[in-house]
Amino acid sequence: AQKITQTQPGMFVQEKEAVTLDCTYDTSDPSYGLFWYKQPSSGEMIFLIYQGSYDQQNATEGRYSLNFQKARKSANLVISASQLGDSAMYFCAMRGSNYQLIWGAGTKLIIKP
Amino acid sequence: DVKVTQSSRYLVKRTGEKVFLECVQDMDHENMFWYRQDPGLGLRLIYFSYDVKMKEKGDIPEGYSVSREKKERFSLILESASTNQTSMYLCASSFEGVNSPLHFGNGTRLTVT
Repeated sequence: AQKITQTQPGMFVQEKEAVTLDCTYDTSDPSYGLFWYKQPSSGEMIFLIYQGSYDQQNATEGRYSLNFQKARKSANLVISASQLGDSAMYFCAMRGSNYQLIWGAGTKLIIKP
Repeated sequence: DVKVTQSSRYLVKRTGEKVFLECVQDMDHENMFWYRQDPGLGLRLIYFSYDVKMKEKGDIPEGYSVSREKKERFSLILESASTNQTSMYLCASSFEGVNSPLHFGNGTRLTVT
């Protein structure tokens, strides 16, 4: 069965520090995609970054990067130089052969000034 | 930029009413999805559609139906609203394929009294 696990329900990080949000996954599909989303308190779900299972390099998008370790089945999100506006819920998700998205439970990130 | 528009940001309805939640996307996406999000339960898929007039049940379809008469529009219908359908409803759309992210609307917070 496909599964996404986010083990950190909440995190506090000092402004300007880097933060790593953990995500592990389980799938038997040979081809899959991994996604990270941000959900601020206003409720909209914002797509941040994508990593394909066959991608050789880790994905990066501005201050966001994805630390993809395929053998460990992990896809951690790294946010560099955190800002107050990064405070939000962060969800890891996976899309496999049936094209549906499997979601993690989310991590609530709070950036302290 | 992809735009997914949900017709209402906040909605208050009475028990037993028929409720329509509308969603429109402007990117010619094949796939459209309806989720509900509740504290502690994460995102749960209600229905999705991979083409016009096609629909598939998600994890929690009971009490809901959907309509997709045009590619850009996906409607969620609560046939007879109940208080346990009070929730945040999120519409999303995407291209087909494991590497295609879902793009979300701003959400509709529905309260059934």
